[in-house]
Amino acid sequence: GENVEQHPSTLSVQEGDSAVIKCTYSDSASNYFPWYKQELGKRPQLIIDIRSNVGEKKDQRIAVTLNKTAKHFSLHITETQPEDSAVYFCAATPTADSWGKLQFGAGTQVVVTP
Amino acid sequence: DAGITQSPRYKITETGRQVTLMCHQTWSHSYMFWYRQDLGHGLRLIYYSAAADITDKGEVPDGYVVSRSKTENFPLTLESATRSQTSVYFCASSVQVLNTEAFFGQGTRLTVV
Repeated sequence: GENVEQHPSTLSVQEGDSAVIKCTYSDSASNYFPWYKQELGKRPQLIIDIRSNVGEKKDQRIAVTLNKTAKHFSLHITETQPEDSAVYFCAATPTADSWGKLQFGAGTQVVVTP
Repeated sequence: DAGITQSPRYKITETGRQVTLMCHQTWSHSYMFWYRQDLGHGLRLIYYSAAADITDKGEVPDGYVVSRSKTENFPLTLESATRSQTSVYFCASSVQVLNTEAFFGQGTRLTVV
């Protein structure tokens, strides 16, 4: 089955700096890679996703890159703000018999200090 | 505009008791999922369902039972609660089987004492 590893587990950045979270996956058949943000005490919510036919996707201050050959994908947050403080989860969905199941990474706690 | 709701939000139960966590969605999404969230493990899939009366095991199904007699409801039952089942439980739904957003409920914090 799919295995997703996520690094780092915690990330502390100064407001205005960039943050990068990296994930690797094991199943070469995986073709969908969403990122979820979970604020303290709240539910996870999708912030951006990428499909395997695309190498990069941007949405304002966040971007995701995908390297299918190396089987890794990354989340980039530029000009970080205090409201970016949260736990971020990467995930992957294999195609075969997946039923939409998401395999999540362990999460990255991002702390943005003013 | 309820979306997907879970009840109760908080639950304390004793070891060995049966407890049921409820999940209800108003979107008529076909696919529903139960995850547990534990520090250092992220979100791990317990059970999932593709439609009413169609369910299957996820990554960590032992000790749990699900049913789905109606599309909108997907209850999760802990048959005999153990302390290792202390966790935050999230229900989620999605409209399609592949490559679409999963919408999460607000979570149920379960403590087994």
